[in-house]
Amino acid sequence: EPEVTQTPSHQVTQMGQEVILRCVPISNHLYFYWYRQILGQKVEFLVSFYNNEISEKSEIFDDQFSVERPDGSNFTLKIRSTKLEDSAMYFCASSEWGLAGVTGELFFGEGSRLTVL
Amino acid sequence: SQQGEEDPQALSIQEGENATMNCSYKTSINNLQWYRQNSGRGLVHLILIRSNEREKHSGRLRVTLDTSKKSSSLLITASRAADTASYFCATDAYTDKLIFGTGTRLQVFP
Repeated sequence: EPEVTQTPSHQVTQMGQEVILRCVPISNHLYFYWYRQILGQKVEFLVSFYNNEISEKSEIFDDQFSVERPDGSNFTLKIRSTKLEDSAMYFCASSEWGLAGVTGELFFGEGSRLTVL
Repeated sequence: SQQGEEDPQALSIQEGENATMNCSYKTSINNLQWYRQNSGRGLVHLILIRSNEREKHSGRLRVTLDTSKKSSSLLITASRAADTASYFCATDAYTDKLIFGTGTRLQVFP
């Protein structure tokens, strides 16, 4: 069964360092998302991406964050200068037709755990 | 805020019992979805209900939606130990932004 894959599974970084989290969405999907979850608590929306553009972003997604689809398969989240409060599990998700599609279902990866020291 | 609030925050039941989780939200929505998350894992889609639907079934899952009360419920019948997980409702409001609720942690004891 097709799945969303994320790398790395765990990254430890020093405060102020840049981090890139990578995702390979399901191949025929057109809509991509990043979410984060702190300590198994609420799942927070960061950004949605379609047709090489950001569709929506939250107030969390400030200038320190950026997303990119550098080729036909990868979708990346970059944090330019990490802060302690960026420590979280970051989830990538993809969808074939987006939330307005027939199923509206998002397929999630297993997450990348980021620890900022 | 669109974010849903779920009730209860935690629920413990015995195998075979039914589990009911409730979700309330604040703004008008297009669709409401329910997701499941096993500890430390990614979220898995369970079911979607549209704003013009009132009830939907999928296997042992039954979802209701009351748009006048801005609330939804997820019923898991005949629960199993394998149903132990966190359950989240999620809503979208005609944008490409799916907002998750606070979640209910379900523990099913054998």
